Amino acid sequence: QKEVEQDPGPLSVPEGAIVSLNCTYSNSAFQYFMWYRQYSRKGPELLMYTYSSGNKEDGRFTAQVDKSSKYISLFIRDSQPSDSATYLCAMSEIQGSYIPTFGRGTSLIVHP
Amino acid sequence: DTGVSQNPRHKITKRGQNVTFRCDPISEHNRLYWYRQTLGQGPEFLTYFQNEAQLEKSRLLSDRFSAERPKGSFSTLEIQRTEQGDSAMYLCASSLSHIEAFFGQGTRLTVV
Repeated sequence: QKEVEQDPGPLSVPEGAIVSLNCTYSNSAFQYFMWYRQYSRKGPELLMYTYSSGNKEDGRFTAQVDKSSKYISLFIRDSQPSDSATYLCAMSEIQGSYIPTFGRGTSLIVHP
Repeated sequence: DTGVSQNPRHKITKRGQNVTFRCDPISEHNRLYWYRQTLGQGPEFLTYFQNEAQLEKSRLLSDRFSAERPKGSFSTLEIQRTEQGDSAMYLCASSLSHIEAFFGQGTRLTVV
């Protein structure tokens, strides 16, 4: 079992829909939780990060962390075709080298 | 352009040949990571530098792989005696903090 599990999708939604992307993890030492977006043939770009539990909102994006369930989510409101990409969750511990461990990514398709 | 730069963008090599990739991080970023990504998978950690010191190396990394970061600036990743299983996207990322890692566009390696 991998440390970070993420459904690869694809997830196909109509424009304007609310999108929910999720990851589960097994390492209870993870304290930093990040979401990256990756367009085809490009490197990942950081969207948001949260520390420990709680919610964080940035425009149309909301990140949630539930450490008791080892479950994190990214919500996208009013989804746009330009949001079509692969969304990667990543996590790191707060000790040592803080090296992010990535999920396999979820492919999102927002159709007009 | 002040982002992370990787060269070459694409490399096709014959099995058994050696290849070397270069990464130029964002200026003054002391942390540098190498990841490998195959189709449909998330980035897999290879190695990590803080300044010129290689502090972490994946246990899964074959001894055919070696990385350097002389003087804490650019970094190189060399693969000796390439195998078809080495075909992947090789990603470099740099950061100042342990949270916001900036990725380059990657080097796509094809071993034929």
